[in-house]
Amino acid sequence: RKEVEQDPGPFNVPEGATVAFNCTYSNSASQSFFWYRQDCRKEPKLLMSVYSSGNEDGRFTAQLNRASQYISLLIRDSKLSDSATYLCVVTRYSSASKIIFGSGTRLSIRP
Amino acid sequence: DGGITQSPKYLFRKEGQNVTLSCEQNLNHDAMYWYRQDPGQGLRLIYYSQIVNDFQKGDIAEGYSVSREKKESFPLTVTSAQKNPTAFYLCASSIKTSGNANEQFFGPGTRLTVL
Repeated sequence: RKEVEQDPGPFNVPEGATVAFNCTYSNSASQSFFWYRQDCRKEPKLLMSVYSSGNEDGRFTAQLNRASQYISLLIRDSKLSDSATYLCVVTRYSSASKIIFGSGTRLSIRP
Repeated sequence: DGGITQSPKYLFRKEGQNVTLSCEQNLNHDAMYWYRQDPGQGLRLIYYSQIVNDFQKGDIAEGYSVSREKKESFPLTVTSAQKNPTAFYLCASSIKTSGNANEQFFGPGTRLTVL
């Protein structure tokens, strides 16, 4: 079993829809959580950090559920430009070798 | 503007050759990382460095080597010992490797193809 797992998708939703996906992690010692966005053939870019209290940035909301060991990303009023692969990242404070990327969830927004 | 640069963007290598990928950052970050990404997969850590003149192996270090002689630079050499080197290589940096300052910033990547 992978330490960080994501539904690979693709999620294909109409413009304006709300879409959500989760990322589960297996190590309860995980400390920091992030969502990155990666466009086709480009580098990942930080979308948002995920805090214990949850956080929101415009149309994007990230939440952390430590009890069930998952993080989620909710996108409201989706735009065509939201089409990308979304990577979740789980880290532990002890060393850089414990920064683990999920394989990503592909999102495609249709007109 | 601060950022991370990688060169070249595309690189073709013949089997048996060593090649070196460049990574430079002017963000004054202590930590730097090299990842490899294969189609449809997540990033896998090759090497990382927390400070100048120090580096550590990641999950897939075999067939690769690095150096960290300057804070700004972290070149990666793909040696002939790497059996399947064709991939997208990403360099990243962060303020530190631990705590709340480990958000990573990525360079644009180098696509390496072995002919």
